[in-house]
Amino acid sequence: DVKVTQSSRYLVKRTGEKVFLECVQDMDHENMFWYRQDPGLGLRLIYFSYDVKMKEKGDIPEGYSVSREKKERFSLILESASTNQTSMYLCASSPSPGQGADQPQHFGDGTRLSIL
Amino acid sequence: KQEVTQIPAALSVPEGENLVLNCSFTDSAIYNLQWFRQDPGKGLTSLLLIQSSQREQTSGRLNASLDKSSGRSTLYIAASQPGDSATYLCAVIFLTGRRALTFGSGTRLQVQP
Repeated sequence: DVKVTQSSRYLVKRTGEKVFLECVQDMDHENMFWYRQDPGLGLRLIYFSYDVKMKEKGDIPEGYSVSREKKERFSLILESASTNQTSMYLCASSPSPGQGADQPQHFGDGTRLSIL
Repeated sequence: KQEVTQIPAALSVPEGENLVLNCSFTDSAIYNLQWFRQDPGKGLTSLLLIQSSQREQTSGRLNASLDKSSGRSTLYIAASQPGDSATYLCAVIFLTGRRALTFGSGTRLQVQP
């Protein structure tokens, strides 16, 4: 079974802090994704990565950055946390088309982040 | 703009009823379509994936169909149970643009005992 592990289920930080959210997958997937989920707005893509050291902006990248130094790990960074970044953050991974076009995207359990 | 829409937003049914959840998408050129389940406060669990070349997929009491030409998918749940209560999300990877899922806003299902 694919396992996508997010480092924290709940996190409370202060405005202006630099925040790191970590995600690790154990299936050698090429693709990794970060989403945020908010009531009434659904899931929105923040950043994604097709390979090590590669990153692509999603729909709402402002205020965030990412790091992918190793294939299994994809980190989301809030450079200077603000209250409007309070949300549920979800990490996901999937194989590339060459690895299997019929393979679903797998999600972690999410991190509920509160910025005070 | 490529969008995914789910109707209804919420649904409440008595236990044992068969039900259909609807998903529509604006561009018929898709790579695949996935249905997910999300329990409150939890991550997403993949239920079914339908590739562009397929018409339907089945898993237990779940059946998902795909009609690309009309831009629609349905998730059929047979003999619903209280344990099926959750939010169901439809998501599409479109062929043009990035290879990332575009999500609908979900249908919140409540199955009453």
